[in-house]
Amino acid sequence: GDSVTQMEGPVTLSEEAFLTINCTYTATGYPSLFWYVQYPGEGLQLLLKATKADDKGSNKGFEATYRKETTSFHLEKGSVQVSDSAVYFCALKLTGANNLFFGTGTRLTVIP
Amino acid sequence: GAGVSQSPSNKVTEKGKDVELRCDPISGHTALYWYRQSLGQGLEFLIYFQGNSAPDKSGLPSDRFSAERTGGSVSTLTIQRTQQEDSAVYLCASSLTLFGADTQYFGPGTRLTVL
Repeated sequence: GDSVTQMEGPVTLSEEAFLTINCTYTATGYPSLFWYVQYPGEGLQLLLKATKADDKGSNKGFEATYRKETTSFHLEKGSVQVSDSAVYFCALKLTGANNLFFGTGTRLTVIP
Repeated sequence: GAGVSQSPSNKVTEKGKDVELRCDPISGHTALYWYRQSLGQGLEFLIYFQGNSAPDKSGLPSDRFSAERTGGSVSTLTIQRTQQEDSAVYLCASSLTLFGADTQYFGPGTRLTVL
């Protein structure tokens, strides 16, 4: 079935370190891919998205490229800040489907 | 503008009681979704409404769960005869339309604890 596999956390990094959170997917058809972020005490927010192969989504210094050949959508940021501490969720939505399929989430803690 | 709002923010109930959770979507959004976030299961889709169409109930875990959406706006998720495994954060989301990669905007959630 359709699913999203995310790198397990928690991830702890020092400020200004490079971040990668891996995400791979299994889907029938051609999904749209998303990264959502949940800051402490807040609801889920869309971070970025990509709707077709080779698209790159970017926001707030984060980037992810839709790689059809490796069925991946890894999240990267060149220099993390303490304010990036949050839980990050990878998700997919199939064309014609109603709902998002989410990964299990990866908790990131950035220390000064 | 106003985002998705949910009430109550926290609900503690006793096993066997019924609970109602409310969601106010973003004005003008035709699609509304309910998800459940729990430690053991992650984020799971429960039910979806689009305009006046019949809802997609494929994610509801049992017949104790039901939802309605009145007037194409506010939605209520009802859990009857609550069980301890129903303890979770219930999230509501809305999007402008069903189609393509329309962004789903999430509310802050209702944390349900069943004692």
